[in-house]
Amino acid sequence: AQTVTQSQPEMSVQEAETVTLSCTYDTSENNYYLFWYKQPPSRQMILVIRQEAYKQQNATENRFSVNFQKAAKSFSLKISDSQLGDTAMYFCAFIEMDFGNEKLTFGTGTRLTIIP
Amino acid sequence: DGGITQSPKYLFRKEGQNVTLSCEQNLNHDAMYWYRQDPGQGLRLIYYSQIVNDFQKGDIAEGYSVSREKKESFPLTVTSAQKNPTAFYLCASKPGLISYNEQFFGPGTRLTVL
Repeated sequence: AQTVTQSQPEMSVQEAETVTLSCTYDTSENNYYLFWYKQPPSRQMILVIRQEAYKQQNATENRFSVNFQKAAKSFSLKISDSQLGDTAMYFCAFIEMDFGNEKLTFGTGTRLTIIP
Repeated sequence: DGGITQSPKYLFRKEGQNVTLSCEQNLNHDAMYWYRQDPGQGLRLIYYSQIVNDFQKGDIAEGYSVSREKKESFPLTVTSAQKNPTAFYLCASKPGLISYNEQFFGPGTRLTVL
């Protein structure tokens, strides 16, 4: 069974600084997808970024980027120039690349607080 | 506006009662999901449905039931057999059956058993 581990339950950083959230996963599969979801205080889950395991290039979305290390099974999220609106729970998630596979496995989350 | 709606936002239930949580989407998505969120445990999959009139158990289906009579609706019933139902419940949907596709989430329902 796949597992996703987020070892940092809580983090805080000053506004405008850069912060990195860690995520490791365990799988015997070679083809899969990884996601970072954000859950702000409103509790509405929002996709931040996703990565295909077969792509070596790290995904980026504006201030958000990932460091995907397939051999180490590591998928960290870097937030640059952090803003107050980045305050949220962040969940790392994993799914096998398989047509019709619907089981998205989530980590336990990291609560990020941006300090003004 | 396209999106996913869940109702009610807060729900209180007495022990021994069944209760149904509503989830509706107007995104024309094929797949729909129910997750349970507890503090410190992330999201866990309860049930999912890929097409109308068909659904599969997730990792924690015991004490729950679902139906999928219409593409846009996927209600979740929390039965009295669920031993610890107090939690935050999230509904999600996804276009098609491709694993890469993003799941879109509703605003959630907070269920409290009194």
